[in-house]
This record gives sequence, structure tokens and C-alpha cells, in this order.
Amino acid sequence: DTAVSQTPKYLVTQMGNDKSIKCEQNLGHDTMYWYKQDSKKFLKIMFSYNNKELIINETVPNRFSPKSPDKAHLNLHINSLELGDSAVYFCASSQVPGGLQETQYFGPGTRLLVL
Amino acid sequence: KQEVTQIPAALSVPEGENLVLNCSFTDSAIYNLQWFRQDPGKGLTSLLLIQSSQREQTSGRLNASLDKSSGRSTLYIAASQPGDSATYLCAVRPNDYKLSFGAGTTVTVRA
Repeated sequence: DTAVSQTPKYLVTQMGNDKSIKCEQNLGHDTMYWYKQDSKKFLKIMFSYNNKELIINETVPNRFSPKSPDKAHLNLHINSLELGDSAVYFCASSQVPGGLQETQYFGPGTRLLVL
Repeated sequence: KQEVTQIPAALSVPEGENLVLNCSFTDSAIYNLQWFRQDPGKGLTSLLLIQSSQREQTSGRLNASLDKSSGRSTLYIAASQPGDSATYLCAVRPNDYKLSFGAGTTVTVRA
């Protein structure tokens, strides 16, 4: 019944490794997002896809690459992990942006720790 | 660039007291404003969404007001309960799709 789910919930890895985080939503939404919440608790948008098409690509290192195989899934792949990548990554979804009602629904977050 | 500020950063009140959380934003050209709740170690839950044409929204004990021209929103929580303890985040959406978040107000309601 979970609306937006993320796996894994926790991820501890060594610097230099490549890792992926998966996100799935069963709300039938057209738009999905990835956010990063740093140690100071600020949430910043990284990417957004609408119907598998990239619509937001913030200033994020090329090591981060989103992939949307279908509109219910948005995965985040990170190459050559660095210490500064340690954060909580949240996936979210909403109806088509620009609508008058576009509440975003968030997943539980993936806590990434790079050692 | 839109900047969102939430004051205070933390708030502790006895049960039953009303809560007032403030959010200010620098660019008044917003499409909507959302209030979220974040519990420790959990994701965000949307509480209220106010469209730019609205002045307030209500849901149960929660009431959020919006004064777009002055760049302010206030979240009121009536008759607070220990279960209201959480971090409350304000987010504004300008005319693109990007939500800008404040750092949040962490609320503790003492039983």
C-alpha cells in the first residue's frame, strides 16, 4: 500500500564505489523527483522527470544520473561516491506540474553514508 | 533566487498551547506554497497546499495563511498534542517546477 517507496533505506559504502537507489510510486502520478537533504536539513531538488522525460536538472555533478524506465519508477545512480555525497535522498511524486493541485508525496528516504 | 526562511528554528511548548510557525520567502512570484511535516528518520508528509490566489487553507486543527505580497505564510496548530512533535517545513513553488524549502521549525510538545 506504500505510495512512494525507496530501496534501500540505508546504504553504507566506501568512497569511489558506484551505487543505485530505486524509487517506485503506485499513485499513478506523471512526475517524479529526487531531493537531497544535507546535514543541515535543507532539502534541495536534484532532478525531476515527467512521463519519463527529464524536466529539471539542477546543478548536480555528472556522477549523478537519474533513469526513468517508466513513469512509475525513477532510479538514481551515483558513480565514484565521495564523502560529500553522504546525505538523505528523498524521492517524491506528484501529478503533472503546473496543475492547481500538485501536492508532492515523499518516500521514506535513503540514508547514504560514504566512508 | 528564491530564499525561504523559517523562524523559529525550534519551539517547545506545553500540551494544549497553540503553535505559530512562520515562513518567509524573498520572491513573491510563487505558484503555490506547501507545509510539510517530517518525523525523525522518516519522509515528508504534506499538510496543506495553498495556491497563490488563496489567502488560507484549513485542515482539522491546522490553518495556514498566505500573504503573497509580503512574502509570508503562517502555520497555526491549535491545541497542540505530543503527537504534533516533528519538524515542519515550508516550501514555495515559483513558476517553474522547483520547490524551494526552508530549513524547518522543530517542534516539541511537552506532555
